[in-house]
Amino acid sequence: GESVGLHLPTLSVQEGDNSIINCAYSNSASDYFIWYKQESGKGPQFIIDIRSNMDKRQGQRVTVLLNKTVKHLSLQIAATQPGDSAVYFCAERPTGTASKLTFGTGTRLQVTL
Amino acid sequence: GAVVSQHPSWVICKSGTSVKIECRSLDFQATTMFWYRQFPKQSLMLMATSNEGSKATYEQGVEKDKFLINHASLTLSTLTVTSAHPEDSSFYICSAGRRDEQFFGPGTRLTVL
Repeated sequence: GESVGLHLPTLSVQEGDNSIINCAYSNSASDYFIWYKQESGKGPQFIIDIRSNMDKRQGQRVTVLLNKTVKHLSLQIAATQPGDSAVYFCAERPTGTASKLTFGTGTRLQVTL
Repeated sequence: GAVVSQHPSWVICKSGTSVKIECRSLDFQATTMFWYRQFPKQSLMLMATSNEGSKATYEQGVEKDKFLINHASLTLSTLTVTSAHPEDSSFYICSAGRRDEQFFGPGTRLTVL
């Protein structure tokens, strides 16, 4: 469902290490999931998506894992770089909602040098 | 491809005035556009779904008479915040739908004094 948290959880990672950002989604009927990156003062930027008939999808330096049993989604970023610092949101699309998305709470990723 | 613009990128207005925000899909046609609001350190909250040539569909709790949406063409949707008050200050983000994907605009920062 929608998130109304006042504080974004923060993940601090050293440059070069791998990052894992987690997301719990709410609707077992969702069939499509997306990870977005949002830098300060900007709109969300698409990173990677996955459909419910898959459990893993890889992109360039990013991997998304989907566990439908526990309604859990994760984003793995390999060799994290300073430019990866941003807030990351997962979004789910319930089946039959004509591309309407529900966003998760978000996680702030801080990359330290 | 799939670029979405918003205008203005930021606006400051006095309490009681109305503000119009434009959302354009620059290189594709979008029969559906979405309007989100984002408060600091929070996630995106869907306000309404805008369909070309028909009335917008508002989410629960969003006042349709306060947030007027017009989707006059396949490349343009506008959001007008009427009689704006300081509590309307927020980051407003639009997205345009193409097939089952959403492409986000850069956002508009509204500050109501």
